[in-house]
Amino acid sequence: GAVVSQHPSWVICKSGTSVKIECRSLDFQATTMFWYRQFPKQSLMLMATSNEGSKATYEQGVEKDKFLINHASLTLSTLTVTSAHPEDSSFYICSARDPGLGQPQHFGDGTRLSIL
Amino acid sequence: RKEVEQDPGPFNVPEGATVAFNCTYSNSASQSFFWYRQDCRKEPKLLMSVYSSGNEDGRFTAQLNRASQYISLLIRDSKLSDSATYLCVVRDDMRFGAGTRLTVKP
Repeated sequence: GAVVSQHPSWVICKSGTSVKIECRSLDFQATTMFWYRQFPKQSLMLMATSNEGSKATYEQGVEKDKFLINHASLTLSTLTVTSAHPEDSSFYICSARDPGLGQPQHFGDGTRLSIL
Repeated sequence: RKEVEQDPGPFNVPEGATVAFNCTYSNSASQSFFWYRQDCRKEPKLLMSVYSSGNEDGRFTAQLNRASQYISLLIRDSKLSDSATYLCVVRDDMRFGAGTRLTVKP
């Protein structure tokens, strides 16, 4: 079964709306989670690393005030796309790294965001 | 140089063909490597880990070359269902390669 749960799976909103996406690790505690964005026919791009109890680390070119990340517990990270515009429409995927040595990261099912 | 680079593809092969992808990484201290498969409009799914000694899982073989800093994925006897984008990831960086699109045709 799924070890990382991501909700919602599909969002359609008007321009200017803020959208929150949740990412939960189900079977393990994740001190670190990762948020990716993928545009059609492009690769997964790491947006930010979410750290439990501290500020997220954003990749170059990603606006931290636009994409608010909160990692308040060891099993939950949220990404809020503030005042979303059509150019923010994309596939957003979170992942959590199983803390065991050599273990892979597990992905949520992704959120397809469409801003009208 | 990007942290993780992959063969650009796309690869279009007939059923039954053998196909190989490479992925280079820049951090020589990297320890863990994985191959993922991503189907269209879906999240990546773990295909296999890559071990130093090389490892095989059915028709799939993964290898690591630390000296040249690359990993490879070999698919034998390609099936139509193997059509997907294959992504390599270096665990330390948590960054994906751009992905290699594979299309297996009848």
